[in-house]
Amino acid sequence: GQQVMQIPQYQHVQEGEDFTTYCNSSTTLSNIQWYKQRPGGHPVFLIQLVKSGEVKKQKRLTFQFGEAKKNSSLHITATQTTDVGTYFCAGFNAGGTSYGKLTFGQGTILTVHP
Amino acid sequence: NAGVTQTPKFRVLKTGQSMTLLCAQDMNHEYMYWYRQDPGMGLRLIHYSVGEGTTAKGEVPDGYNVSRLKKQNFLLGLESAAPSQTSVYFCASRATGTDTQYFGPGTRLTVL
Repeated sequence: GQQVMQIPQYQHVQEGEDFTTYCNSSTTLSNIQWYKQRPGGHPVFLIQLVKSGEVKKQKRLTFQFGEAKKNSSLHITATQTTDVGTYFCAGFNAGGTSYGKLTFGQGTILTVHP
Repeated sequence: NAGVTQTPKFRVLKTGQSMTLLCAQDMNHEYMYWYRQDPGMGLRLIHYSVGEGTTAKGEVPDGYNVSRLKKQNFLLGLESAAPSQTSVYFCASRATGTDTQYFGPGTRLTVL
């Protein structure tokens, strides 16, 4: 079955440093989503990427979808303490009937030291 | 709108006990999902529903049953709880024609 691997599992940064998490799928994805989960909270949708090579920005966050639609990344510029949480990628498998079933990566836990 | 709500928020069970987790959404979404979240393993799909009266197995369905008798509710049952089912359970819903899933606040379940 489809597997989505996400690295790193943990990242500790000083406030103001940049942060990147990477997501790789074993199969081609039709699209990929990114979620953020604050400590003790629930996953909250951030963005969806659909097109090959797509790049989207949300303030200090930059999301990329690979040309082969098998990998993606999230980059945060100049982290702030409010960025603390777990970032998940989640992919829809290309082809077939998925009924909106997402396959989640393991998540990257981001800690920001003030 | 309350969005997606889950009850209870916390529960402690003894091995062999049964319980039902309730998920309710007021967004008229067709699709509903149950996930479990364990450290280092992300979110894994247990069961899902594509509409009222329908259910299907996800990635880790063993030991769980579900029912979707009403469109707004999706119930997750544990017939005989085991320590391996200690986890945080999230429910999510999605509207037809969209890809975004909206998650509930979660239920933290401990099985002793």
